[in-house]
Order: sequence, then C-alpha cells, then structure tokens
Amino acid sequence: DQQVKQNSPSLSVQEGRISILNCDYTNSMFDYFLWYKKYPAEGPTFLISISSIKDKNEDGRFTVFLNKSAKHLSLHIVPSQPGDSAVYFCAASAMDSNYQLIWGAGTKLIIKP
Amino acid sequence: DTEVTQTPKHLVMGMTNKKSLKCEQHMGHRAMYWYKQKAKKPPELMFVYSYEKLSINESVPSRFSPECPNSSLLNLHLHALQPEDSALYLCASSQDPGDYTGELFFGEGSRLTVL
Repeated sequence: DQQVKQNSPSLSVQEGRISILNCDYTNSMFDYFLWYKKYPAEGPTFLISISSIKDKNEDGRFTVFLNKSAKHLSLHIVPSQPGDSAVYFCAASAMDSNYQLIWGAGTKLIIKP
Repeated sequence: DTEVTQTPKHLVMGMTNKKSLKCEQHMGHRAMYWYKQKAKKPPELMFVYSYEKLSINESVPSRFSPECPNSSLLNLHLHALQPEDSALYLCASSQDPGDYTGELFFGEGSRLTVL
C-alpha cells in the first residue's frame, strides 16, 4: 500500500513558466512533508519542507502548499530554470513510523529552453 | 562542512567477493542511514544508526552488514552478493535520531555492480 503517491512520472515545462509537482498521501498521521531533488548519479538533496500544522511554506522560487482535507501537497517552482531539471521526490514522516521517511515514486521534471 | 562523503563512487564485484562501502560526515550528526536505490525508484531504507547503535534494520539480508565505528563513520560490509543487489547505495545523516523534520543529508552514493 503506497502511502505517498506521485502520479505523474514526468512533467515538461517551458523555461520561465511555473512548474507544479503534485503529491497525494493516505496517512492522516503524517507530521512533516518534504521535497527532495535528485540529479542522475547523485544523492537526493533536501529542497523544502512543511509541517502538517501549516498550509504554505515558501523559500525563494520554491513554495510548497499543503491541503490536509484533500491529503494533497504540491511544489511550485517559479520561474522554472534549466537547472531545475531533475527528479523530485515527495516524502513524509510520522511519529508512528519512527519518523522514518515514506517516499513517493518521484516525478522527473524537464525544463525546456 | 556540510558534506556526506562516500567511497568508493563505483564498485564492481563478483558474487564471492567481500568488499566494503564507507561513509563519513563531520556535521556532528547523531543519526546515520544506509539506503539502496534502484533506477527510477525512490530510496529504500536499509539501516539506521542512532548514537552509533543500530536502531533500525529493515529486514535486510545478512549478506549486508553495517558497522558504525564512531559517530562520524558508517560502513556497509558486503559479502556473497547477488546480481540483483546492484544498485546505488546512499549514505545519509541527520542531526538527531527521531528528527521528525526529516531533513537528511545524502552522500553522492556508491554505484555497485555485482557480476
């Protein structure tokens, strides 16, 4: 049973436009949600997170929105840049999972020139 | 120093070999992790060390043997691996065990190929 789902395996966006990556979850006990970015042959890099008590967190070009009633979160990147081309993983943690991360399958973002 | 360093970057081994993967961090983090990642899949947790003690073993076969010699070092000893064990092995650290913010610092990984 996948607790964290990223239903889009890939997304293609024009440079300068907004990229929106989506993530759905099933466990209402999740306390924290995170986005990681991964380039090929490298380890994932932490990007941004949000606590379950908030609905928005912003860091520069990156904003994460959380809709608890819909069990949905999204990552907005604006404006999109070529260096943003990577695989983005959504992850969640909960006290009852010993705070270990539950990962989504990832979405490959391609920024077109 | 905000890096997690993994060596070697690439390793090719036969099914009868014994080899080790090494990981080092100097951020004073007290939790260290081994993850395995296959192509187009998310990282899969293998082991967690909290304060140098093994706290989580996600039912990993005994041919993988972790070791934490001190708070900065984490090893993964490999013996009698199978071709399906070929993957990217990622080491990560976090400031505190049970850090619910989930911010992990990953190394670049060791790409393992088992022939």
